[in-house]
Amino acid sequence: AQSVTQLDSQVPVFEEAPVELRCNYSSSVSVYLFWYVQYPNQGLQLLLKYLSGSTLVKGINGFEAEFNKSQTSFHLRKPSVHISDTAEYFCAVIPQGSNYQLIWGAGTKLIIKP
Amino acid sequence: EAGVVQSPRYKIIEKKQPVAFWCNPISGHNTLYWYLQNLGQGPELLIRYENEEAVDDSQLPKDRFSAERLKGVDSTLKIQPAELGDSAVYLCASSLQGTYNEQFFGPGTRLTVL
Repeated sequence: AQSVTQLDSQVPVFEEAPVELRCNYSSSVSVYLFWYVQYPNQGLQLLLKYLSGSTLVKGINGFEAEFNKSQTSFHLRKPSVHISDTAEYFCAVIPQGSNYQLIWGAGTKLIIKP
Repeated sequence: EAGVVQSPRYKIIEKKQPVAFWCNPISGHNTLYWYLQNLGQGPELLIRYENEEAVDDSQLPKDRFSAERLKGVDSTLKIQPAELGDSAVYLCASSLQGTYNEQFFGPGTRLTVL
């Protein structure tokens, strides 16, 4: 069975500091990978996705993620965070050849300290 | 372009009462999803529609939950009767038909069962 693990439930970081949100997955087949963001009282929004090609993927709002197949990871990074980045971030995968169902991690709350 | 619309945004009911949630997807999106999201967890798929056909309802608790998408556009999710454990956020999402198309989420309906 496939699963997604987000290693940190909360990540506090000072404003303008860099941040990395970790995501690891387990799957017997290749996967497609996604990061979604959920701002307070809003719906989930796609940040970025990896389907194929370059393993470094750039998304919206200055975020990027790198797919590492050997480590089965897809960590999300931003070089300098802002107060507006306060949100919950979800990593998700779709196993290739599956019924298209997104398998979600439990989420990581990014807390920006002024 | 309007996003995915859900109503109501909040609902408080007593256990054993019925409740219904409504979703209007983005115009032109054939695929519609209903998810359940518990606090501190990622979304869990309840049902997926392709047009008016429910193509994946394997995780919908059919003893008390039902859903419909009669004209292949908007959709209703119903719980009857509601139980205390049904308290959660119910999310609706839509996408163009196809496996890896981005899912666009509504703001969700927060259900509290007393």
